Amino acid sequence: DTGVSQDPRHKITKRGQNVTFRCDPISEHNRLYWYRQTLGQGPEFLTYFQNEAQLEKSRLLSDRFSAERPKGSFSTLEIQRTEQGDSAMYLCASSRGLAGPQGEQYFGPGTRLTVT
Amino acid sequence: GNSVTQMEGPVTLSEEAFLTINCTYTATGYPSLFWYVQYPGEGLQLLLKATKADDKGSNKGFEATYRKETTSFHLEKGSVQVSDSAVYFCALIFSGANSKLTFGKGITLSVRP
Repeated sequence: DTGVSQDPRHKITKRGQNVTFRCDPISEHNRLYWYRQTLGQGPEFLTYFQNEAQLEKSRLLSDRFSAERPKGSFSTLEIQRTEQGDSAMYLCASSRGLAGPQGEQYFGPGTRLTVT
Repeated sequence: GNSVTQMEGPVTLSEEAFLTINCTYTATGYPSLFWYVQYPGEGLQLLLKATKADDKGSNKGFEATYRKETTSFHLEKGSVQVSDSAVYFCALIFSGANSKLTFGKGITLSVRP
């Protein structure tokens, strides 16, 4: 396993700009998750894919956020018209497609977004 | 909804001290329980897990027992090392369609030499 990778690791942007993050999961994992972590808090679920299908979106994911996973491999998370409140660490995780609790999630290093 | 509550931090200990980090959960049903650790500059790593009541998860000298009666999953280590300094997160998950993790706020542990 080469692990979950995320790019970029850091992003500084001005308010109102659009940003896009990429996540490459572990190659044989068909589930991919996005979480957001703000300072002093635990990660919060944003959305999840089974292969290329986006199966659930949190209410935290406003309509300025969109995620895709074309071909069921890598995923992108785009934030349009960024706001200062979007500043956070965006985490990606992947797991094997087991329905039960044994499908351990492996996390990437995260992308830290700072909106100025 | 489901939630995880961790004791307030940060925690500072001397090397070789005993560690307990409390975690309780609120959930309808019986989730699986996890401890994740985040070392400085690194991503979240699974430390240990327990999938049913009375199960004990263990790894790297850390242990936690799934207590259904008290809805708790407290993390313990008999003798901490400086290298254990990290942020520790308790989390739960239900089997099913989405299997999303619900995390506590995390607690920072600093171990002094």
